[in-house]
Amino acid sequence: EVQLVESGGGLVQPGGSLRLSCEASGFTFSTSSMNWVRQAPGKGLEWVSSISDTSSYIYHAESVKGRFTISRDNAKNSLYLQMNSLRDEDTAVYYCAQGSFGAFGYWGQGTLVTVSS
Amino acid sequence: QSALTQPPSASGSPGQSVTISCTGTSSDVGGYNYVSWYQQHPGKAPKLMIYEVSKRPSGVPDRFSGSKSGNTASLTVSGLQAEDDADYYCLSYADNYRVFGTGTKVSVL
Repeated sequence: EVQLVESGGGLVQPGGSLRLSCEASGFTFSTSSMNWVRQAPGKGLEWVSSISDTSSYIYHAESVKGRFTISRDNAKNSLYLQMNSLRDEDTAVYYCAQGSFGAFGYWGQGTLVTVSS
Repeated sequence: QSALTQPPSASGSPGQSVTISCTGTSSDVGGYNYVSWYQQHPGKAPKLMIYEVSKRPSGVPDRFSGSKSGNTASLTVSGLQAEDDADYYCLSYADNYRVFGTGTKVSVL
């Protein structure tokens, strides 16, 4: 059974940092592209970042470029999102999702990040 | 990286059909056959319903179908059922980014 389990969310002040993790199981993580998607309360889905299987290709949305960094550790079957200089508008549920070319086949249940003073 | 445009809402009675549009540009929807569609119920993670414009993952009913013409992709749900009442989002691949649609709330009356 495929499982994606996010962790690391919580309450952080504006300007602060947070590192999200996503632990994968049930599929071959090392050959899968991975992604982060977020959803602000009551709003739609927003693509955040994508990383290829060997980390050769990394993309970030303009809204987070220069502040967020996606990375992975294939030995640990884990995906990460380092979030710096957090803003109020970064408040959202953050999902990790497996897939490439825009077809995200498996999703975690999400972790809530709240940016507030 | 502007969001793809979807109608805010759509509705139909059980057994009827509903079609949702997803309009982008030649840099995303129109440039690649990599449009996917997701269903999301309240408080739940999204679920892949259609990928590569018109392909259905295993387990997705054949009541769900996808198509594309130019810069606009479409999702059709035929034979509406109560459990189809949900939010639907399109997603397009683009060269250095991915982009979601604005989302459509489908109501089964």
